[in-house]
Amino acid sequence: EDQVTQSPEALRLQEGESSSLNCSYTVSGLRGLFWYRQDPGKGPEFLFTLYSAGEEKEKERLKATLTKKESFLHITAPKPEDSATYLCAVQPFSSNAGGTSYGKLTFGQGTILTVHP
Amino acid sequence: EAQVTQNPRYLITVTGKKLTVTCSQNMNHEYMSWYRQDPGLGLRQIYYSMNVEVTDKGDVPEGYKVSRKEKRNFPLILESPSPNQTSLYFCASTSRGPNSPLHFGNGTRLTVT
Repeated sequence: EDQVTQSPEALRLQEGESSSLNCSYTVSGLRGLFWYRQDPGKGPEFLFTLYSAGEEKEKERLKATLTKKESFLHITAPKPEDSATYLCAVQPFSSNAGGTSYGKLTFGQGTILTVHP
Repeated sequence: EAQVTQNPRYLITVTGKKLTVTCSQNMNHEYMSWYRQDPGLGLRQIYYSMNVEVTDKGDVPEGYKVSRKEKRNFPLILESPSPNQTSLYFCASTSRGPNSPLHFGNGTRLTVT
């Protein structure tokens, strides 16, 4: 069974104080690891997809990295507008010819990030 | 604008009164799915659909029904809602392309009393 564990559950930072969020996963075969941002009262918003160990992706103050067992979301010099819940999810390779897993994601419980001015 | 639209955003109902939550996407995506989000449990998949007239159970399908008569629409049906179905529901869609992420709607907050 695919599992995703995110830590910490909550993180409070001062503006400009860099840090990292962790996503540990177990999956039979990783097709992709996704990071999403979720603001209160809204649906998850796509940030990154990582496909293989060693891959890195960046977007503004965010940088996602991937190893064979975990992914990190590094936040450099965060601003208050970066406050949100960050979700990690894994997508397995399909185990059948129908390819039914290509849309199925297993999510972690998220990290609630609060950045104080 | 590419989007997934859910309605209603908020719904309060009583036990046993049938309800439908609608979902529509304008991206011509083959795959659509419903998730529920609960504190401490994260997002869990209820049902999904690979294409028109093709649906299957996700991880927590009990008490729910879906249909996919048109490519753009994927309604979630609760025939006899119960209080344990009080939750935040999200519809999502994606295409089969290798770099296509799951796109989410803005959610429907359902309360069953």
